[in-house]
Amino acid sequence: NAGVTQTPKFQVLKTGQSMTLQCAQDMNHNSMYWYRQDPGMGLRLIYYSASEGTTDKGEVPNGYNVSRLNKREFSLRLESAAPSQTSVYFCASSEVSAGGLTPGKETQYFGPGTRLLVL
Amino acid sequence: SQELEQSPQSLIVQEGKNLTINCTSSKTLYGLYWYKQKYGEGLIFLMMLQKGGEEKSHEKITAKLDEKKQQSSLHITASQPSHAGIYLCGAANAGGTSYGKLTFGQGTILTVHP
Repeated sequence: NAGVTQTPKFQVLKTGQSMTLQCAQDMNHNSMYWYRQDPGMGLRLIYYSASEGTTDKGEVPNGYNVSRLNKREFSLRLESAAPSQTSVYFCASSEVSAGGLTPGKETQYFGPGTRLLVL
Repeated sequence: SQELEQSPQSLIVQEGKNLTINCTSSKTLYGLYWYKQKYGEGLIFLMMLQKGGEEKSHEKITAKLDEKKQQSSLHITASQPSHAGIYLCGAANAGGTSYGKLTFGQGTILTVHP
């Protein structure tokens, strides 16, 4: 099993350009997440998807859109990149499908990350 | 919203020394997750704690959740260079729409000198 994979690993964009970050998992997980990691800020949730066809905003959704293409894939799109979006982006997945607490099933498994630089 | 505070923010130790990293929550913890991240890589799941007073160990790493379920500690015994990295704690968000969302602390950077 590959677990969670992300492409690309690195990307340099100019301000205003668009791009899509791809994420796929082969663990048959229901929920998927997109985070950004910035120095001193920890991980912040951008968007998440509790099941195929559903998505919802996290803590920092502005400037991003997502698509849950199927159970395996969850993409993150930057329509018009800004320097403030320079960051490391992580995708994660978990078994959880229910809304309430499900201790143990909330374990998230992370991809290797995408380093994005917006000039 | 739940906030997690990790201390210290960074730690430099000599190989062989013991060390402790703390994670304190502003609310009761219903599930506390510890992850390790090597530079340039993704997060690796270490352990999950759920019950007050619970303690789990993996190799030379021990994690504990206090009885009040508001603080967790991660203890490394006889540190090795392979332990170096960033350690993050994450807490499950209580509530009807949690969907497995986790809130993370800002991370503790561990350096181990040979």
